[in-house]
Amino acid sequence: DGGITQSPKYLFRKEGQNVTLSCEQNLNHDAMYWYRQDPGQGLRLIYYSQIVNDFQKGDIAEGYSVSREKKESFPLTVTSAQKNPTAFYLCASSPRKVPGSEKLFFGSGTQLSVL
Amino acid sequence: AQTVTQSQPEMSVQEAETVTLSCTYDTSESDYYLFWYKQPPSRQMILVIRQEAYKQQNATENRFSVNFQKAAKSFSLKISDSQLGDAAMYFCAYEMEYGNKLVFGAGTILRVKS
Repeated sequence: DGGITQSPKYLFRKEGQNVTLSCEQNLNHDAMYWYRQDPGQGLRLIYYSQIVNDFQKGDIAEGYSVSREKKESFPLTVTSAQKNPTAFYLCASSPRKVPGSEKLFFGSGTQLSVL
Repeated sequence: AQTVTQSQPEMSVQEAETVTLSCTYDTSESDYYLFWYKQPPSRQMILVIRQEAYKQQNATENRFSVNFQKAAKSFSLKISDSQLGDAAMYFCAYEMEYGNKLVFGAGTILRVKS
């Protein structure tokens, strides 16, 4: 079955540690996204990529980094510079054949907590 | 910058009744897309309904329909014959035509009473 797989489901970070959240899709979608969800704030865009080897900052990119070396994969690294990383992280993808018109396909999310 | 506002943090509805969730947005664009997403306790995001701004006809998907008022920049979701499975967080979202990202509202928690 096609879909988006996020791992791990739960992740714990120690102070000063970088952690990487995995996102893989087998939908052959060009565009991929990372969103952060905090209680009462909805989803906020961290980074997005519309093509391999290219990505753009979203609204809250500070303290995060990404790579897009393969079409299927878009990992997110939460660096030690992100001082408040505790949140639910959602990865999404879209075909983008006609930008702005297709729905997003979401993964099941990763809950990141600070120890 | 575009913004999306959901003014109702929580709503409750009796099973089999109808409920309307509100959403307003701010944009200077004339062509764009609006969405309602559902997030149940599993936290999986599910697309409920989608509306193109250039279409005057309101979108409908089974028990879900929208009231799209372009001039007022309003996009409310009506759920008819509410079911226990409708209990979830509902997010309104906006994307401009040829845009590259969705802008989400803060969400409305819907509780369904049996």
